[in-house]
Amino acid sequence: AQKITQTQPGMFVQEKEAVTLDCTYDTSDPSYGLFWYKQPSSGEMIFLIYQGSYDQQNATEGRYSLNFQKARKSANLVISASQLGDSAMYFCAMREGYSNSGYALNFGKGTSLLVTP
Amino acid sequence: ETGVTQTPRHLVMGMTNKKSLKCEQHLGHNAMYWYKQSAKKPLELMFVYNFKEQTENNSVPSRFSPECPNSSHLFLHLHTLQPEDSALYLCASSTRAAGGKDTQYFGPGTRLTVL
Repeated sequence: AQKITQTQPGMFVQEKEAVTLDCTYDTSDPSYGLFWYKQPSSGEMIFLIYQGSYDQQNATEGRYSLNFQKARKSANLVISASQLGDSAMYFCAMREGYSNSGYALNFGKGTSLLVTP
Repeated sequence: ETGVTQTPRHLVMGMTNKKSLKCEQHLGHNAMYWYKQSAKKPLELMFVYNFKEQTENNSVPSRFSPECPNSSHLFLHLHTLQPEDSALYLCASSTRAAGGKDTQYFGPGTRLTVL
């Protein structure tokens, strides 16, 4: 079963506007972490923001904020004041619990964001 | 060099060739990962190495053979691949800090085409 769902294959936003990228997750583990990555056309996955399941406050990193609604199992990414350079694929990912085998990430299928002038 | 580097960035190989992908991290991390990114599919975890020991093999075919000689270097040896193995192969590393967010940092990837 898909653990991370991103329902928006593609999004458009005008420069300087805010945009919200949706992410819902599925886990029965009380301890988990949620990540957002940006992947430009060059291919590199760039870490943007992290939210822990026990964090009381929504995470913020510059123009990025994470709207964490634990009861709804949603972790939407909000980008404020969009810039042309924000055009890229955006991936939501989850790490469940802690184990000795490694902190593997489960990724969603991604949302393609296009920022227009 | 800083961060996570991968070489080569692009690779075209025939099904009978043997090639290797290289990943190097300059972040002092203890865990390294190989992911496969195919078109229209989520990233798929292939292998995890923790302190040079393989801790996860996500049912990857034996034509992919990882090697981790130390915590800074990770290789993916390829032989007798199939055209469906064409994809972007991403390497990542993380601290494996207990109780921490353990963010994975990715390299730029190797775009592999199997003819």
